[in-house]
This record gives sequence, structure tokens and C-alpha cells, in this order.
Amino acid sequence: EVQLVESGGGLVQPGGSLRLSCEASGFTFSYYDMHWVRQATGKGLEWVSAIGTGGDPNYPGSVKGRFTISRENAKNSLYLQISSLRAGDTAVYYCARRNPKWGAFDLWGQGTMVTVSS
Amino acid sequence: QSVLTQPSSTSGTPGQRVTISCSGSSSNIGNNDVYWYQQLPGTAPKLLIYRNNQRPSGVPDRFSGSKSGTSASLAISGLRSEDEADYYCATWDDSLFAWVFGGGTRLTVL
Repeated sequence: EVQLVESGGGLVQPGGSLRLSCEASGFTFSYYDMHWVRQATGKGLEWVSAIGTGGDPNYPGSVKGRFTISRENAKNSLYLQISSLRAGDTAVYYCARRNPKWGAFDLWGQGTMVTVSS
Repeated sequence: QSVLTQPSSTSGTPGQRVTISCSGSSSNIGNNDVYWYQQLPGTAPKLLIYRNNQRPSGVPDRFSGSKSGTSASLAISGLRSEDEADYYCATWDDSLFAWVFGGGTRLTVL
């Protein structure tokens, strides 16, 4: 089955760090750019990082310096390291695959919840 | 505030046609393809429309997309109760060098 499964979310204190994982299956992971998109409760979608097939990362200005995206093709896995966590980072974090022909995020995981609170 | 502007909500009755607008600028919609995502309650987003007006296989032809200048629209015809969801437009922004989403539109089927 073609799918993405996130893990690693949880309750973290402000200032702490967390590493999220996304395991891909059912497709050739190394062929695709991969992204992380987050959604605060009751809010809209916010793109927070991307990594190309060659490992080149990209981030919006709002998270640059605190978020680090990486991938391990041999393990069909995507990661997001978040440091200096703040309350505004509380959200469901989705990993998503970008289809190179369509340009769209055509496959999404179920999401993993990150809660930043003392 | 989102870079792309969508109405926060809309509604329709079964069988009706509704449209959802998405307004941007020359650095995003005006120069790049628009994508639409549907998010049913409690689930992950799902791709509905790619490259402005293309439907992935499995998406009913009741859903259609269009783009003109710096705006885009999603139309849903023959509205059904299962269409009740949040809808998001998205595109790349050349100035921000980032993917941007609209704030989302909640569709209620009355």
C-alpha cells in the first residue's frame, strides 16, 4: 500500500527539541521531493519545510534556523528536527509527497501531534 | 493572515453548485499553478485539483478548477452531503520562496 506514516510527536516543554519521522512505503521514496506541512488546531495549513531528491532543504522564513529537514533514502524515511520549541509550534505535522509531474502534494500522512506546553 | 485569500465559509443545498474563490498576487497565483485540497473532518488533506484545472483519477468530475490572472476558483456542482469539508488553495510564491496556502473555506451542506 502506498502510504506515509508519521511518528515522534508528543508533549514538549518550551525551549525543548523534538524529531519527527515519516516512513514511506509502496513507492520509490528516493524519486520524490518531500515536505512537512503543519496545522494548528482549528487553523489552516502552513508549509514548514521541503527536501529535494538530492537532499537540498528549503524552509519558509518563519522557521528557518529552528527546523531541520533530512531524509534517509535507504530507510525510506523523512525527518524533521525542531529546536527551541515555542507554543506557536503546537500543531499536527503532516509529511507529504510532491508529485513531480503534477507539482502537487499528492500523498499525505495521517499526521503527528506536537504540543508545546509547560 | 494568509498570503492567499479565501472566504472563511460557504454553504449550499444538495444538488446545488457552489464556488470557492482564492485571491493572490502576481508573485504567486499570477505566475504559478494553483492546487486545491479537500480536508474532511479529522482527516489529512487530500489532493482535489492540480495544475489549476486537472483532476487526479478518483476525483469526481463534479469538482472543477479554474484560474484567471491572480485569482483561482474551485467549483463543486451537484453538491452532496459528503462534500462537507474544508477546502484549501495552494501555490508557490516567487517572492517568499515558499509554498503558500489559503486560509481555508469551510463548506457546509445544508
